[in-house]
Amino acid sequence: NAGVTQTPKFRVLKTGQSMTLLCAQDMNHEYMYWYRQDPGMGLRLIHYSVGEGTTAKGEVPDGYNVSRLKKQNFLLGLESAAPSQTSVYFCASSYDEEWHTINTDTQYFGPGTRLTVL
Amino acid sequence: GIQVEQSPPDLILQEGANSTLRCNFSDSVNNLQWFHQNPWGQLINLFYIPSGTKQNGRLSATTVATERYSLLYISSSQTTDSGVYFCAVPLLYSGGGADGLTFGKGTHLIIQP
Repeated sequence: NAGVTQTPKFRVLKTGQSMTLLCAQDMNHEYMYWYRQDPGMGLRLIHYSVGEGTTAKGEVPDGYNVSRLKKQNFLLGLESAAPSQTSVYFCASSYDEEWHTINTDTQYFGPGTRLTVL
Repeated sequence: GIQVEQSPPDLILQEGANSTLRCNFSDSVNNLQWFHQNPWGQLINLFYIPSGTKQNGRLSATTVATERYSLLYISSSQTTDSGVYFCAVPLLYSGGGADGLTFGKGTHLIIQP
């Protein structure tokens, strides 16, 4: 299993440009998340999804949109990038309905995408 | 929302030393997770521990839910233990974790050879 993968690993944008970050998981997880991490900070939740076709806002959703058209994929979009969105973006997933265990809410993280907006 | 505070913010130890990292949270939780972020940025889940004690090799964790704190113990530290250790709890009080996690700012641990 590849676990949670993210594409791309690095990206540099100019202010106002748009881009989409792709997250894929092969663990049959129901829940998926997008977080951002800024220097010296913990992670903050941007958006999340509790199933295919569903999305919800997290702590810091402004300036981002998401879609979950397939269970294994969760896309994060920036329509008009701003320097304040320079960050490292992490995707995570959890909860396999078919293998429900006491640790079912354990979150598994991708390797991250380092985004710089100039 | 729930507040998560971790201490100490920084810790420098010699290889072979033991350490205790603390996580305080402001409200009752039914889900608490410890993560290690290595120097390359990868986040690894260490423990899912809403209450009680768990051990995994040289690492162990204890959560006292009634007193709203959790401790992560690292024994016989190795240089590969270096990195940032985060604890995280559900973002929403009513959430079991499906709603996402809120993280502390972490403890930056450096193990010197």
